[in-house]
Amino acid sequence: SQTIHQWPATLVQPVGSPLSLECTVEGTSNPNLYWYRQAAGRGLQLLFYSVGIGQISSEVPQNLSASRPQDRQFILSSKKLLLSDSGFYLCAWSRGLGELFFGEGSRLTVL
Amino acid sequence: GQNIDQPTEMTATEGAIVQINCTYQTSGFNGLFWYQQHAGEAPTFLSYNVLDGLEEKGRFSSFLSRSKGYSYLLLKELQMKDSASYLCAVADYGGATNKLIFGTGTLLAVQP
Repeated sequence: SQTIHQWPATLVQPVGSPLSLECTVEGTSNPNLYWYRQAAGRGLQLLFYSVGIGQISSEVPQNLSASRPQDRQFILSSKKLLLSDSGFYLCAWSRGLGELFFGEGSRLTVL
Repeated sequence: GQNIDQPTEMTATEGAIVQINCTYQTSGFNGLFWYQQHAGEAPTFLSYNVLDGLEEKGRFSSFLSRSKGYSYLLLKELQMKDSASYLCAVADYGGATNKLIFGTGTLLAVQP
């Protein structure tokens, strides 16, 4: 069966510090991968998606970036965090046009 | 542009039936999903509609009218554990994958 893991689950970072969130999928090959962010009381905002290694599509211009160094690995990064980057970050995978399966989420608080 | 609207909050009684509506205006349409999200947790898949009509799955049903840009999620025989946020999401084709555009969610409170 397929599983998706992301970490860390919780982190508190100062403004201006770097960020790295990692997500891996097991049990499937060539998945489509996504990063979403959910601010408090808001819906899920699509940040990045990837249909293959090295292929990243950005949905919202911001100070975040994403990379896919391996088929089942998706990384969300920032060089300098802003207060507005606080939120619940969710990694997800899908097969083609199918439903999304979400990871457990990473809660980021920027102080 | 992309616009998905659903009520912010709803309250219902245990054992009752509740209908959560969703209207959408999106540049593309490749189906509509409903997800359930408990507080502090990741969303979990409930239903998918791509053709007009009603899809039933146990206590949950979902309806779609593409011409009206409208969907609803129907929850029957409500249980306390159904208290959660319900997210409507429209799939927009983005080159070999679906980009799911989510609404802000409807927070459902089930009362005894």
